Amino acid sequence: DIVMTQTPLSSPVTLGQPASISCRSSQSLVHSDGNTYLSWLQQRPGQPPRLLIYKISNRFSGVPDRFSGSGAGTDFTLKISRVEAEDVGVYYCTQATQPYTFGQGTKLEIK
Amino acid sequence: QVQLQESGPGLVKPSQTLSLTCTVSGGSISSGSYYWSWIRQPAGKGLEWIGRIYTSGSTNYNPSLKSRVTISVDTSKNQFSLKLSSVTAADTAVYYCARDLLNCSGGSCYPAGAFDIWGQGTMVTVSS
Repeated sequence: DIVMTQTPLSSPVTLGQPASISCRSSQSLVHSDGNTYLSWLQQRPGQPPRLLIYKISNRFSGVPDRFSGSGAGTDFTLKISRVEAEDVGVYYCTQATQPYTFGQGTKLEIK
Repeated sequence: QVQLQESGPGLVKPSQTLSLTCTVSGGSISSGSYYWSWIRQPAGKGLEWIGRIYTSGSTNYNPSLKSRVTISVDTSKNQFSLKLSSVTAADTAVYYCARDLLNCSGGSCYPAGAFDIWGQGTMVTVSS
């Protein structure tokens, strides 16, 4: 199985400041079709996860543009340009090579 | 818009079979553009993918659970279901159903691992 390792596991951020979460996979996520199926999910307290980013950098419908994804191969990053109070929650990266696996989660909290 | 809703017993005895159903509303499960997955989350922990099904009935399971899992689809009811046998306390978790986008290009389509719609989740406790 592909192991997804996120850092940091906890990220205290000041409102209005940027935040960055790293995700590293144990092997390349480049698919035979040339795409890289790396997604980011946000889980607010008491809620199911919500899709933010897919295929590394594609923002899902309705996701604010302060969220952006980047990376290639085995190293990926989720950035929030200016953290807002509603961004508090746990963020997961996930990959689509079977079996699907998730990162451990990064808890974003406000300082 | 499309919504997913899990249903099933909230309490299952050890060694018995956990059975859950996910009902799709606002759209057809027979749309060829998606896979349908089950994912679980123990309290305070991360996410674990259980398996998925396509509208054709084709399935894929997490090897760690494969011997105990069956996922099926009932297109007439717009539902897909999960059965997990021989449960133990380790199977206690919130169980989610989710829709997985298909990415199509050059005449081929692959699941993108992009879970764009989730049910609210249902808590299942394994206890005698």
